[in-house]
Amino acid sequence: RKEVEQDPGPFNVPEGATVAFNCTYSNSASQSFFWYRQDCRKEPKLLMSVYSSGNEDGRFTAQLNRASQYISLLIRDSKLSDSATYLCAVNSPSNTGKLIFGQGTTLQVKP
Amino acid sequence: DARVTQTPRHKVTEMGQEVTMRCQPILGHNTVFWYRQTMMQGLELLAYFRNRAPLDDSGMPKDRFSAEMPDATLATLKIQPSEPRDSAVYFCASGLLRDRIYNEQFFGPGTRLTVL
Repeated sequence: RKEVEQDPGPFNVPEGATVAFNCTYSNSASQSFFWYRQDCRKEPKLLMSVYSSGNEDGRFTAQLNRASQYISLLIRDSKLSDSATYLCAVNSPSNTGKLIFGQGTTLQVKP
Repeated sequence: DARVTQTPRHKVTEMGQEVTMRCQPILGHNTVFWYRQTMMQGLELLAYFRNRAPLDDSGMPKDRFSAEMPDATLATLKIQPSEPRDSAVYFCASGLLRDRIYNEQFFGPGTRLTVL
């Protein structure tokens, strides 16, 4: 089993739709969780850090479920510009700063 | 606007040649990471440093890859000799490990390497 797993998609949704991605992690000792966005031929960019209480930034909401060992990203009112690959990242419990990335979930928002 | 910078942005070389990629981490960050990304393998961690000391390079093919941090403002990744299977995008990322939580990493624009 991979340490961090994501459904690769693609998720094809119409503009205005709400879409959610999950990311599961295998090590229950992990403490830091992140969502990154990566556009084609660009570097991953930090989208959100995932706090234990969940957090929201505009149309984006991230949540952590420690019991089931997954994090989620919800995008409301999706825009064409949200089309990208979304990578989740989980810290290595060794706390050396190392992050373990999932393979990414591709989102295509259609007009 | 603090950013990680990488050079070169693109490199095309022939098999057997040496390739050197450079990275300038964000000033004040104490951890630096090298990743390789391909369509097949996704984002793979090659090596990383904390306070310039190598912590883990188990992701690197040791016979041909080497990573160093000559000083706090420069990290290098070398491939010698290069092979076609090394063709990929190489990202550098830096972060500030302050405590056990919230150790975000910030990525540079990457070096797109093609080995013919």
